[in-house]
Amino acid sequence: GAGVSQTPSNKVTEKGKYVELRCDPISGHTALYWYRQSLGQGPEFLIYFQGTGAADDSGLPNDRFFAVRPEGSVSTLKIQRTERGDSAVYLCASSPTVNQPQHFGDGTRLSIL
Amino acid sequence: DQQVKQNSPSLSVQEGRISILNCDYTNSMFDYFLWYKKYPAEGPTFLISISSIKDKNEDGRFTVFLNKSAKHLSLHIVPSQPGDSAVYFCAATFNSGNTPLVFGKGTRLSVIA
Repeated sequence: GAGVSQTPSNKVTEKGKYVELRCDPISGHTALYWYRQSLGQGPEFLIYFQGTGAADDSGLPNDRFFAVRPEGSVSTLKIQRTERGDSAVYLCASSPTVNQPQHFGDGTRLSIL
Repeated sequence: DQQVKQNSPSLSVQEGRISILNCDYTNSMFDYFLWYKKYPAEGPTFLISISSIKDKNEDGRFTVFLNKSAKHLSLHIVPSQPGDSAVYFCAATFNSGNTPLVFGKGTRLSVIA
């Protein structure tokens, strides 16, 4: 079956613009996670959904970042007034409910000029 | 403060020999540990996991060892193959895995033919 799908694979935009990053999880996975990976670092947690609701958004760096998952499947990560420091690879992962590993997409490489 | 530490940024091993990747953690509440493998421009791929109630888990050429008293885990790959060359991330979590992962910075493994 299909894995986690993220679009676009690359996004280049100017400082101050708004961006949306999309994640299609594995079918039937109720948990969905967003991470951000900067160069030379491991992925860092941003936000986690269980179904439609955000179970934990403690990793979002500030209020410019927001994510939704309105129907409990596809999720969109939204970044307002982008800054150069937002440049990173944004990874999405999904898992079944309990005690199962998270499966990652290939990420969206975001570059803010 | 890094809760999961991979102190070796890189490791080179001859094909056919054993690769040992190490990981230390500081939070004694972690109860589930995972190893992910990452190729360039791809997302992390789940490799193997271990619950804190065990001290060893084996899957083919891959074995993970957990030493809770030392807060240390290691991944053994034997025999190492050139296709194992990748960045390996150690990750830890609470609640038996259904919560966000905390990653180390990764170790780049090079298997030399």
